Amino acid sequence: ETGVTQSPTHLIKTRGQQVTLRCSSQSGHNTVSWYQQALGQGPQFIFQYYREEENGRGNFPPRFSGLQFPNYSSELNVNALELDDSALYLCASRAGPSTDTQYFGPGTRLTVL
Amino acid sequence: DQQVKQNSPSLSVQEGRISILNCDYTNSMFDYFLWYKKYPAEGPTFLISISSIKDKNEDGRFTVFLNKSAKHLSLHIVPSQPGDSAVYFCAASESGGYQKVTFGTGTKLQVIP
Repeated sequence: ETGVTQSPTHLIKTRGQQVTLRCSSQSGHNTVSWYQQALGQGPQFIFQYYREEENGRGNFPPRFSGLQFPNYSSELNVNALELDDSALYLCASRAGPSTDTQYFGPGTRLTVL
Repeated sequence: DQQVKQNSPSLSVQEGRISILNCDYTNSMFDYFLWYKKYPAEGPTFLISISSIKDKNEDGRFTVFLNKSAKHLSLHIVPSQPGDSAVYFCAASESGGYQKVTFGTGTKLQVIP
């Protein structure tokens, strides 16, 4: 059984660009959530996907969007990058949308210059 | 609007002694509480949880206490070990629908050998 993996590990972009981050969920998990963790803060919930549909969203603008694929992988897309988007982006998978325990990947460190 | 607060950014404890990490919350709709541990360059790892119908939950060296009237929970680690040195996040969620988890800002625990 493989854990949650994320790619890339690090990424540097400039303001206004677009970025795609990738996550591979733990085997058998049909629910994935994405979080943004700014420096010195706790992870903040961006959104959750269940069976390829977004079924919950935090206080993030529409330029943050996602996709979930049938093979359990998922993407986080951020358009029109801003300096404040610099953060660690974490994905977490769980066995179902109401399952309490979620398993986190190691994260992608995004730097926006 | 910080709904989950960890007011101690750091804590140092001698090996073998008790570590007590505290967490306060403001949202009375939260009914499930979790603690996560995070090592550098890794994602958060689930440690222990407690439902609002309980006031205590134990798992080995880890015990979580919940005081609903004070909207306060604490994590006790006894005895503390050097391998426990990490950042600990308190988190909370509401039941029903999707599981949006709200995290605190974390407490960095250092266990001194």
